[in-house]
Amino acid sequence: DGGITQSPKYLFRKEGQNVTLSCEQNLNHDAMYWYRQDPGQGLRLIYYSQIVNDFQKGDIAEGYSVSREKKESFPLTVTSAQKNPTAFYLCASSILRLRDSNQPQHFGDGTRLSIL
Amino acid sequence: AQSVAQPEDQVNVAEGNPLTVKCTYSVSGNPYLFWYVQYPNRGLQFLLKYITGDNLVKGSYGFEAEFNKSQTSFHLKKPSALVSDSALYFCAVREPYNFNKFYFGSGTKLNVKP
Repeated sequence: DGGITQSPKYLFRKEGQNVTLSCEQNLNHDAMYWYRQDPGQGLRLIYYSQIVNDFQKGDIAEGYSVSREKKESFPLTVTSAQKNPTAFYLCASSILRLRDSNQPQHFGDGTRLSIL
Repeated sequence: AQSVAQPEDQVNVAEGNPLTVKCTYSVSGNPYLFWYVQYPNRGLQFLLKYITGDNLVKGSYGFEAEFNKSQTSFHLKKPSALVSDSALYFCAVREPYNFNKFYFGSGTKLNVKP
């Protein structure tokens, strides 16, 4: 089955440490996204990418970095500059062709990041 | 600016009763509208979408949504709620010509009591 795989499911970060969250998709989607979800809140866009080797900042990019070296992969690094990283992180993907712009995003099952 | 509003943080309904989760949007043009459901510690699952055509859209698990262009609303409905419907529901919008981004509402927690 096609889908999005996020790993790990749970991640713990020490003070001053960078951690990387993995996101892989086999849907052949052009666009990939990272969202942050805090308890009782909606989704906030961190970064998105429309094509390999290109990505754009979302609404809360400070303290985060991404790369898009392959179409299938869009890892997110939470750097030590992100002072409040505890949250649920969701990766998503979507088709980017105009004729398919009525298609929804597909989501992974998330990574829960906590501070030790 | 584009926005999606879900005016209710929480909706409580008894099992077997009809449910409505509200969504209004402010997006230029004729956007594509979506509903998703999220269970604890899981990602968002797609429920249904509105493109153009019938104002009542049917989706997964017996859910449907009513589109009202004049009120710019896209409310999620179900004739008879189940306890297993208890979850977090998100409304989302995608612009038809600037379609690289999705706009999400803040979510509504649905509680269905036995």
